[in-house]
Amino acid sequence: ELKVEQNPLFLSMQEGKNYTIYCNYSTTSDRLYWYRQDPGKSLESLFVLLSNGAVKQEGRLMASLDTKARLSTLHITAAVHDLSATYFCAVQETSGSRLTFGEGTQLTVNP
Amino acid sequence: DTAVSQTPKYLVTQMGNDKSIKCEQNLGHDTMYWYKQDSKKFLKIMFSYNNKELIINETVPNRFSPKSPDKAHLNLHINSLELGDSAVYFCASSQLAGEQFFGPGTRLTVL
Repeated sequence: ELKVEQNPLFLSMQEGKNYTIYCNYSTTSDRLYWYRQDPGKSLESLFVLLSNGAVKQEGRLMASLDTKARLSTLHITAAVHDLSATYFCAVQETSGSRLTFGEGTQLTVNP
Repeated sequence: DTAVSQTPKYLVTQMGNDKSIKCEQNLGHDTMYWYKQDSKKFLKIMFSYNNKELIINETVPNRFSPKSPDKAHLNLHINSLELGDSAVYFCASSQLAGEQFFGPGTRLTVL
């Protein structure tokens, strides 16, 4: 059974600081997704990582995938308050469409 | 213009009642999903249909029954509702095993 673990689960950081959220998973996969969820809202797709070594950047967020280490990272650069949300990684099985989600990282960016 | 829509957005009901949630996507996707997000924000897949055929059927109580009348619609019927069914239910769709797009969610409260 595929297991996905995120850490930290809660992250409180100051504006302007950098930090990284980690997503580890237990079985072989080369498809990983990052989603953002604001309170009471749906999941918004941030990044789709489809191969080993994939790196994608959007604004202050950068995601990477290391399939050999079974690890993805979401790096936050110079955080701003608008980034406050819950971030989920989700790993897709090599065969099939099933997504297994991590527990989510609740990020709070303080002024 | 909404890509994946769900109705209703909120559903408050008494224990023992039967209720349905509807989902529609206009993305032309062939695969649709139901996810449950519990009070700790943990997301878990429940069902998936591909072209009206059930392809993922997780271990959920058989009080939950999905139905897909066509590939653009996926409904979820719940019999004999219990307190523990209170959660947010998300519908999603994708093209085959591609990126999944989520609906706005239905917050179910069982009293």
